[in-house]
Amino acid sequence: DAKTTQPNSMESNEEEPVHLPCNHSTISGTDYIHWYRQLPSQGPEYVIHGLTSNVNNRMASLAIAEDRKSSTLILHRATLRDAAVYYCILRAFTGNQFYFGTGTSLTVIP
Amino acid sequence: DADVTQTPRNRITKTGKRIMLECSQTKGHDRMYWYRQDPGLGLQLIYYSFDVKDINKGEISDGYSVSRQAQAKFSLSLESAIPNQTALYFCATSDGADNEQFFGPGTRLTVL
Repeated sequence: DAKTTQPNSMESNEEEPVHLPCNHSTISGTDYIHWYRQLPSQGPEYVIHGLTSNVNNRMASLAIAEDRKSSTLILHRATLRDAAVYYCILRAFTGNQFYFGTGTSLTVIP
Repeated sequence: DADVTQTPRNRITKTGKRIMLECSQTKGHDRMYWYRQDPGLGLQLIYYSFDVKDINKGEISDGYSVSRQAQAKFSLSLESAIPNQTALYFCATSDGADNEQFFGPGTRLTVL
């Protein structure tokens, strides 16, 4: 099963960009890369997902390496509300399952 | 009103008891999921259902069963609860494998 590796924690100053890395060296060609975040005491919420090309939405950008063995979630201007655990997830082609890792706990410093 | 609701929100029970956690959604999605989250860890998939007649096991289905009573309802049962099933349980829905999953608020279950 493809798995992901993320740093346990990161810090960012408010209003600065944040780059959250994820390694997924065993990714298969048909696995999508998803990012979710979980605010304290809440269920996870969708952030962004992609397959090969970089993706942008109103919340964030997703940069995917050319070999697809790593990706980076980019928050362009961190706010205090962005403090959460961010999960990089691969959707397995077979079984349609999401494999959550332990995620990166992001602290935003005022 | 919340799109994905879970009941109860908190439950304390004893070892050996049968417990049912319920999930309802108003999003009209075909796909529903049950996850478990242990403290400090990510979510693990227990069961998932692509429609009323389709039920599939996830990573950690042992000790759990599910019922898809209708498109909008997906229940998780612990036939005989044990202490290491103490966890936070989340229900989620989606309208496609690669589409966004919408999560409920979670049920905190404690098995004594």
